[in-house]
Amino acid sequence: GAVVSQHPSWVICKSGTSVKIECRSLDFQATTMFWYRQFPKQSLMLMATSNEGSKATYEQGVEKDKFLINHASLTLSTLTVTSAHPEDSSFYICSARDRGHGDEQYFGPGTRLTVT
Amino acid sequence: AQKITQTQPGMFVQEKEAVTLDCTYDTSDPSYGLFWYKQPSSGEMIFLIYQGSYDQQNATEGRYSLNFQKARKSANLVISASQLGDSAMYFCAMRGRNAGGTSYGKLTFGQGTILTVHP
Repeated sequence: GAVVSQHPSWVICKSGTSVKIECRSLDFQATTMFWYRQFPKQSLMLMATSNEGSKATYEQGVEKDKFLINHASLTLSTLTVTSAHPEDSSFYICSARDRGHGDEQYFGPGTRLTVT
Repeated sequence: AQKITQTQPGMFVQEKEAVTLDCTYDTSDPSYGLFWYKQPSSGEMIFLIYQGSYDQQNATEGRYSLNFQKARKSANLVISASQLGDSAMYFCAMRGRNAGGTSYGKLTFGQGTILTVHP
């Protein structure tokens, strides 16, 4: 099956710094990727839809200047958490849409961010 | 707008018994797909089963079956012969399609149900 990777799998950073998370589709081209955020024992909340070669579409309430998304190639989307604060600590999961395979959506393993 | 509701925050089942996880949904989309995912403590999202809104038969995948009742807008997951490894959080999700049948892409998730399988 299709594989989506995320890097890093976990990261600890200091308050005020920026962190970049990568999401890669390893064996298919993904024109669309999705970024989700999940707090412990809660549901996945869609943050934004990342489209290759165009601006991301953010969900209501998500600060686009704080969560920068770049989908520069058909296999890579990045999420940068700028000026991170402890409340940004969360589990971030990406998924990639494979239009060439029944429009299936494949999830990455997630990135656990801790801001101290 | 789409909404998925899972009313069971936690469920307990004895090993080897069957368990049903509830999911109800609401949507105005002409067609849609319903998904179930398993999320173990590692955090990865594992796809379990899919049901299309116009599928005539309920979906089955090994020990997983989906009890789809369109009129009631419910899509319950049935796990037969529970195993200790089934202990995890389970999410019901929906993806809508427009009138032309094109998927919107993004998934809407329910609140999740934590399943604990006892030996």
